[in-house]
Amino acid sequence: GAVVSQHPSWVICKSGTSVKIECRSLDFQATTMFWYRQFPKQSLMLMATSNEGSKATYEQGVEKDKFLINHASLTLSTLTVTSAHPEDSSFYICSASSPVSDKAVYEQYFGPGTRLTVT
Amino acid sequence: EDKVVQSPLSLVVHEGDTVTLNCSYEVTNFRSLLWYKQEKKAPTFLFMLTSSGIEKKSGRLSSILDKKELFSILNITATQTGDSAVYLCGRNSGTYKYIFGTGTRLKVLA
Repeated sequence: GAVVSQHPSWVICKSGTSVKIECRSLDFQATTMFWYRQFPKQSLMLMATSNEGSKATYEQGVEKDKFLINHASLTLSTLTVTSAHPEDSSFYICSASSPVSDKAVYEQYFGPGTRLTVT
Repeated sequence: EDKVVQSPLSLVVHEGDTVTLNCSYEVTNFRSLLWYKQEKKAPTFLFMLTSSGIEKKSGRLSSILDKKELFSILNITATQTGDSAVYLCGRNSGTYKYIFGTGTRLKVLA
């Protein structure tokens, strides 16, 4: 299957600072990537859909000025948490979408996730 | 409402038992449904289901989709402690997006 990487795996930062998380599709081109947040023992909550070369589409309730998404190439999307606060501490997971053969369906491959702790 | 509901929320069984995890949804027209296994890190892909009534198998795991009754099940036979995880089901919404359920937390006791 396709491989998606994330960097860093774990980051601790001070309140008020910004943190950038990278998501890369290693062996395929992904026109669409997704950013999720997962709190302990809860499901994946979609934050935004990142499209290469265009603005991200944010889910309701997600502040676009706080969670900046850039999808500059077909293999890289970045999520920047600006002015992070302790309540932003969470597990952030990206996924990249890849079409299945010639079908009009898309599989999602998840990165290993980034655990953010804001002190 | 466009949501995915998984049941049970949590399940504890002994090794060797067979479990059935359920995923139900409310939208009739969609392209695919995905099952994932999540241990400590990000989810790992198990199955993609696109057609109703066709079972997919991988070892002791199998899954089937019923588009008429709006549900999917994931079966695990002869469970092992390594099957302990959260199992997530996600339904396609739009072209690329998936909506996930809250997951079923499975614990297999030795």
